[in-house]
Amino acid sequence: GESVGLHLPTLSVQEGDNSIINCAYSNSASDYFIWYKQESGKGPQFIIDIRSNMDKRQGQRVTVLLNKTVKHLSLQIAATQPGDSAVYFCAENHYGQNFVFGPGTRLSVLP
Amino acid sequence: DSGVTQTPKHLITATGQRVTLRCSPRSGDLSVYWYQQSLDQGLQFLIQYYNGEERAKGNILERFSAQQFPDLHSELNLSSLELGDSALYFCASSVGGTGGAYEQYFGPGTRLTVT
Repeated sequence: GESVGLHLPTLSVQEGDNSIINCAYSNSASDYFIWYKQESGKGPQFIIDIRSNMDKRQGQRVTVLLNKTVKHLSLQIAATQPGDSAVYFCAENHYGQNFVFGPGTRLSVLP
Repeated sequence: DSGVTQTPKHLITATGQRVTLRCSPRSGDLSVYWYQQSLDQGLQFLIQYYNGEERAKGNILERFSAQQFPDLHSELNLSSLELGDSALYFCASSVGGTGGAYEQYFGPGTRLTVT
C-alpha cells in the first residue's frame, strides 16, 4: 500500500536490538498518552498507554517512559523483530479534549 | 482486526464531486471519531460524535460534514472535492468519549483519490 509520511524521521535498528522511539508532546496539561503502531496500508493499532500519574509502564516487549518535566515520551521495544517495522505515533490527551497525534517515526528493522 | 469497519476501501472521484464515507464502530462503542491522514502528515482530527450527537470539532472544513445515526454507524460527507482532499480517512471508535480519555480503535481507512 501507499506509504504514510514519506518524509518521516526514520530509526533503523538491527533485528534483535532494542529500539527507542521518542516523542515530544505539546500540552503540559495532557494527562493521558498512547503509542500507536501503523503498518503500511492499515489503520493505527494501540500498543500501550500511560497516564500522567505514572513515569513508566511495561507491556509485552514494550515500555513507555513519561517525563513530564520536559514533556517527553518514549517507547522502548525490546528484541526488535521484523514485524515491528512500521510508523509509530504518540498521542496526547487532556481531560475532556481530543487526542493530538505526533508526526510519527518510521522504524525500520534490518536483518 | 479492530472491529471497526469502513467502506469503501478505495474511492476515486473528480474535483467538484461529493462522496460519502461510512463507518461502523465496534460493538458497544458509543463514540466515533474521524481523522484525515495525508502524505507527510500525521493524523488530523476532524470530528467526534458520541451517541448520535456531535461532541467535538477539529480541523474540519466547512465542505465536510458528518453524522452518527441511531444504530451508531457514522458517515462523513465530503463535498466540492479538491485535489488536496486526497488522503486516507480513518474512523475510530471508543466505548466512551465524554469527560475523559478512552482508547480509540481504528478502522482500516478509506483511501480517497481526487483527480
